[in-house]
Amino acid sequence: AQSVTQLGSHVSVSEGALVLLRCNYSSSVPPYLFWYVQYPNQGLQLLLKYTSAATLVKGINGFEAEFKKSETSFHLTKPSAHMSDAAEYFCAVGPTSGTYKYIFGTGTRLKVLA
Amino acid sequence: DVKVTQSSRYLVKRTGEKVFLECVQDMDHENMFWYRQDPGLGLRLIYFSYDVKMKEKGDIPEGYSVSREKKERFSLILESASTNQTSMYLCASNHRDRGFPGPQHFGDGTRLSIL
Repeated sequence: AQSVTQLGSHVSVSEGALVLLRCNYSSSVPPYLFWYVQYPNQGLQLLLKYTSAATLVKGINGFEAEFKKSETSFHLTKPSAHMSDAAEYFCAVGPTSGTYKYIFGTGTRLKVLA
Repeated sequence: DVKVTQSSRYLVKRTGEKVFLECVQDMDHENMFWYRQDPGLGLRLIYFSYDVKMKEKGDIPEGYSVSREKKERFSLILESASTNQTSMYLCASNHRDRGFPGPQHFGDGTRLSIL
């Protein structure tokens, strides 16, 4: 069965510092992976997706993620945090062939300190 | 841009009421989903629909039902609302798998309180 683990339910960084949000997955087949962001009182917006074309994936708002098969990881990074990055971030693994369930992590709330 | 619209942002209902949450998408997506979001639990799938009148139970279908009479509209029904159904409800949609699963597009959510 597929699963997703996000380490750290809350992460705080200073404005201008590196953002690193961790995601590890478990899948018996090559996974399709997604990062979403949720701002207060809004739905989830897609940040980026991994579909096996390239291991380093660039997304919106300066975020990127690197797929590392050996570590079963898909960590999200941004070189320099901005106050507007404060939000909750969700990692998800897409369904395998013949199924329909997307599996979401429990989320990481990012706080950016001035 | 894909638009997924949920009919209410905030809703307050009483225990025992029948509650309808509506979701409409404008991108001709085959797949539509209803999730429940609770702090520390992430998103949990309630129901999924892959076509008109077709539905599949998700992980937590108890106490809920769904209706999809038209492709663009997917309704979630709480048959007899209970306080433990107080939560944020998110609707999502996407195209059927076209070789690989695509991202889901989400509505802004309905924050439902059952008193």
